[in-house]
Amino acid sequence: RKEVEQDPGPFNVPEGATVAFNCTYSNSASQSFFWYRQDCRKEPKLLMSVYSSGNEDGRFTAQLNRASQYISLLIRDSKLSDSATYLCVVGLNTGFQKLVFGTGTRLLVSP
Amino acid sequence: DTEVTQTPKHLVMGMTNKKSLKCEQHMGHRAMYWYKQKAKKPPELMFVYSYEKLSINESVPSRFSPECPNSSLLNLHLHALQPEDSALYLCASSPVGSNQPQHFGDGTRLSIL
Repeated sequence: RKEVEQDPGPFNVPEGATVAFNCTYSNSASQSFFWYRQDCRKEPKLLMSVYSSGNEDGRFTAQLNRASQYISLLIRDSKLSDSATYLCVVGLNTGFQKLVFGTGTRLLVSP
Repeated sequence: DTEVTQTPKHLVMGMTNKKSLKCEQHMGHRAMYWYKQKAKKPPELMFVYSYEKLSINESVPSRFSPECPNSSLLNLHLHALQPEDSALYLCASSPVGSNQPQHFGDGTRLSIL
């Protein structure tokens, strides 16, 4: 079983749609949780950290359920510019932060 | 604008060449990381430096040699690479001992002929 598993993509949605990505992780000792966005041939960029209380940043809402080891990302009112690969990332802090990446979910938003 | 700067952006080298990748950050982060990313795959951790000391080597072949000359700089020296080493090499940094996210540089795209 992979340490971090994500929905397989691609997700093809029209502009304005709401889309949800899911992610599960296997290491219950994980301490930090993130969604990164990666455009083709570019570096990963932090989209948002994820907290147990849930957090929202504009059109993006992230949720964490530690009991079920489940992370989600909701994108409302999709824009063409949201087309990218979304990486679910889980961290374990052992003095430095060891990140485990999911394989990513590709989102394609069409006009 | 990325806060972690990597040079060069692109590098093409032969299997007998020696080259170096460079990474610089001025965020005061004392943990720095090298990752390798192949197409359509997530980044894979190669090395971790914490307070300028090598903390993790994820069984990386010796043809890759990291160096951390000071708290702002991280190098990756390359020698006798193989074609399968062609990839995007990413540098990242973060504070030590916190759950804050890592910041990534925009990477060096390396091609081995």
